[in-house]
Amino acid sequence: KAGVTQTPRYLIKTRGQQVTLSCSPISGHRSVSWYQQTPGQGLQFLFEYFSETQRNKGNFPGRFSGRQFSNSRSEMNVSTLELGDSALYLCASSPGYADTQYFGPGTRLTVL
Amino acid sequence: GENVEQHPSTLSVQEGDSAVIKCTYSDSASNYFPWYKQELGKRPQLIIDIRSNVGEKKDQRIAVTLNKTAKHFSLHITETQPEDSAVYFCAASLSGAGSYQLTFGKGTKLSVIP
Repeated sequence: KAGVTQTPRYLIKTRGQQVTLSCSPISGHRSVSWYQQTPGQGLQFLFEYFSETQRNKGNFPGRFSGRQFSNSRSEMNVSTLELGDSALYLCASSPGYADTQYFGPGTRLTVL
Repeated sequence: GENVEQHPSTLSVQEGDSAVIKCTYSDSASNYFPWYKQELGKRPQLIIDIRSNVGEKKDQRIAVTLNKTAKHFSLHITETQPEDSAVYFCAASLSGAGSYQLTFGKGTKLSVIP
């Protein structure tokens, strides 16, 4: 099976802009989770979607949002970008009934 | 919520020696503990995981032990090789309720010196 894919791989934005990141899970996986990875904070959970419903949300401001489509593909959106949003954004997929999560390569977001 | 602490933050070992990384968790209800390896510029990859009904699990040179009473779990790598050099993350989650999230430790940078 093909692994988790994320697009784009790199993104440069300026403060105040918004951005949309995309994640395609492993075929058959219905759960997609998003994480923010920074050198200082490590891997932090953003949210998890299962069958188009957000099941769980981490401690991030409302500027961070997401959605999942009927084919399990997921997008996350960050509005009004801040410098501190610069990070590697990783998505991970799982079947939804098991715990093993498989990560995508990530999207490197730089906010100038 | 769950809190996971990981030690040490950096670890250097000679090739062929063993490496041990330790994690503690706060939520006694957590029941799933995976370990991920992340090489520079690459995605985290699952290397081993353990569930709370098991005390130890091995996969070739890698083993994980879990002490539920003390709420800590450890990764053991034997006969280390240069390709083991990477950042290792432990994580904990509560599963089975139809919804779960992984809470990660801050990572351990392992350097294996040839």
